[in-house]
Amino acid sequence: GAGVSQSPSNKVTEKGKDVELRCDPISGHTALYWYRQSLGQGLEFLIYFQGNSAPDKSGLPSDRFSAERTGGSVSTLTIQRTQQEDSAVYLCASSKSWGTSYNEQFFGPGTRLTVL
Amino acid sequence: QQQVKQSPQSLIVQKGGISIINCAYENTAFDYFPWYQQFPGKGPALLIAIRPDVSEKKEGRFTISFNKSAKQFSLHIMDSQPGDSATYFCAAWDSGNTPLVFGKGTRLSVIA
Repeated sequence: GAGVSQSPSNKVTEKGKDVELRCDPISGHTALYWYRQSLGQGLEFLIYFQGNSAPDKSGLPSDRFSAERTGGSVSTLTIQRTQQEDSAVYLCASSKSWGTSYNEQFFGPGTRLTVL
Repeated sequence: QQQVKQSPQSLIVQKGGISIINCAYENTAFDYFPWYQQFPGKGPALLIAIRPDVSEKKEGRFTISFNKSAKQFSLHIMDSQPGDSATYFCAAWDSGNTPLVFGKGTRLSVIA
């Protein structure tokens, strides 16, 4: 079946512009996660959704970052007034659910964001 | 604060050799330890995982060794092949806390 898809695959923007990154999770997966991958820094957790709700937004790097999820499916990560330090690969993952037992997270291919 | 420390940062192994990647953690609440494999331009994919109630798990050429008292775990790739060349991430999960905490990754190159 279809995996997690992300769009665009690459995004080049100018400093100060806003960008929107999209994630389509695997159908039926209720949990959705956003991570940021910077060179040599591993994967940094940003935010997760259980359904349309994001219980903890403390992982977002600054108030320029926001995320939403509608209909329990598609999620959008928005970065306002982009800065050069925002350049990274943004990865989305989904899992069947969220709870006390680990549910495998399936990752999308990521969006490579470059801020000039 | 880095909760999972991974080493080495990069590794070059001859074809047929053994690749060993090590990870250490501090949070004793972690109760699930997966390893992810990532090829260039792709997202990470689950390779193998272990829970702290066992000391070793083997799947094909991939083995996780787990030392609960030392709070360390490692990935061993036996008979390493050029197709194993990728970045490997160890991770840890705490059922009562945030999603996966990742190490910084190890870039493995298997040369013929």
